[in-house]
Amino acid sequence: DAGVTQSPTHLIKTRGQQVTLRCSPKSGHDTVSWYQQALGQGPQFIFQYYEEEERQRGNFPDRFSGHQFPNYSSELNVNALLLGDSALYLCASSLGRRQGAGNQPQHFGDGTRLSIL
Amino acid sequence: DAKTTQPNSMESNEEEPVHLPCNHSTISGTDYIHWYRQLPSQGPEYVIHGLTSNVNNRMASLAIAEDRKSSTLILHRATLRDAAVYYCILRSVMEYGNKLVFGAGTILRVKS
Repeated sequence: DAGVTQSPTHLIKTRGQQVTLRCSPKSGHDTVSWYQQALGQGPQFIFQYYEEEERQRGNFPDRFSGHQFPNYSSELNVNALLLGDSALYLCASSLGRRQGAGNQPQHFGDGTRLSIL
Repeated sequence: DAKTTQPNSMESNEEEPVHLPCNHSTISGTDYIHWYRQLPSQGPEYVIHGLTSNVNNRMASLAIAEDRKSSTLILHRATLRDAAVYYCILRSVMEYGNKLVFGAGTILRVKS
């Protein structure tokens, strides 16, 4: 039973470029969340996708956008990259988006390390 | 989102028990206490969660104070593999979706 998989594992970009990160959720999960983790800090919530729509969003600018596909996989897109976007980007999956879903554990991938030069 | 307070770091000897504290004085009646840990170069991993009663699983135990304003994650016999950042997080059962609000966590170092 494959867990959450993310690709690529590492990526180097330059300022102003655009990047797309990919995530396949754990088998049976239909909800995908994305987090940004700067060095030495805890992960920060970017947004969550369920039924192919963005359902919840953290305090991130519109340069950060996403998509969820019918097979529940997801992409995170970041436009006009800044040096401050250098971070570990984590994808987490879970089942369902309903009241009480907060007690379900989230399953995380090992992330994509994005470096901006 | 309700806040938690954890020590920045702790140190333990291998094979000894570890008690990781978490304060959450503003916890509400619908908040569950969740613990995740993050090993080096990996994503966070769910450890345990509870509401009022103490909880045990294969990884750890969670002891919750009677007033619920604090809790303690207990690793019964620390191993080198338990060296990680441990996050204590409150989650409301009333909320839709399940975003996690991480603090800085506690860095646990295990000495051999």
